[in-house]
Amino acid sequence: GDSVTQMEGPVTLSEEAFLTINCTYTATGYPSLFWYVQYPGEGLQLLLKATKADDKGSNKGFEATYRKETTSFHLEKGSVQVSDSAVYFCALKSSGTYKYIFGTGTRLKVLA
Amino acid sequence: DAGVIQSPRHEVTEMGQEVTLRCKPISGHDYLFWYRQTMMRGLELLIYFNNNVPIDDSGMPEDRFSAKMPNASFSTLKIQPSEPRDSAVYFCASSFSSGNNEKLFFGSGTQLSVL
Repeated sequence: GDSVTQMEGPVTLSEEAFLTINCTYTATGYPSLFWYVQYPGEGLQLLLKATKADDKGSNKGFEATYRKETTSFHLEKGSVQVSDSAVYFCALKSSGTYKYIFGTGTRLKVLA
Repeated sequence: DAGVIQSPRHEVTEMGQEVTLRCKPISGHDYLFWYRQTMMRGLELLIYFNNNVPIDDSGMPEDRFSAKMPNASFSTLKIQPSEPRDSAVYFCASSFSSGNNEKLFFGSGTQLSVL
């Protein structure tokens, strides 16, 4: 079945450092791809999404590009802040269904 | 809108007891999902409903778990009997299928501890 693999954490960075969190997927057809963020004690929130190949999703300085040739959707941010400390989940919505599959999450800690 | 509402926020119970988790989705949403989050396995989809009908329950771990959605504004996830390995955070999420609005709205979760 469809699945999502993302890099294990935790990832620890200094403020203003460049961030990359890798995500690859396995799916039949053409899934939609997402990044969700979870702050401590809260549910997940949508950060960005892309619905077709070569689309770039962006929000709050974060970006990710839907790469069908490499089945990847890596999350990037040019300059992280302490407030970006959270757990980041890569996810897909299987083609033709409303089934959302999540990766295991990557914890990011940004130090001042 | 108040968002997805889950109750209780925390539940501590003893092994063998019945546990019922509750969820109120956002009004007008036609999909409802139950997820379980653990350190070892991340966020697992247990079951999801469309218009109150279960569509896919392949993620339900075993017969001790059951989920119902008697109407559009309420769903329950029941564990009977509970076991220590069921300890996790359980999330409910809802979404609206119309148009290009692909987005899940999550509740704050129920932290379940089975002693």
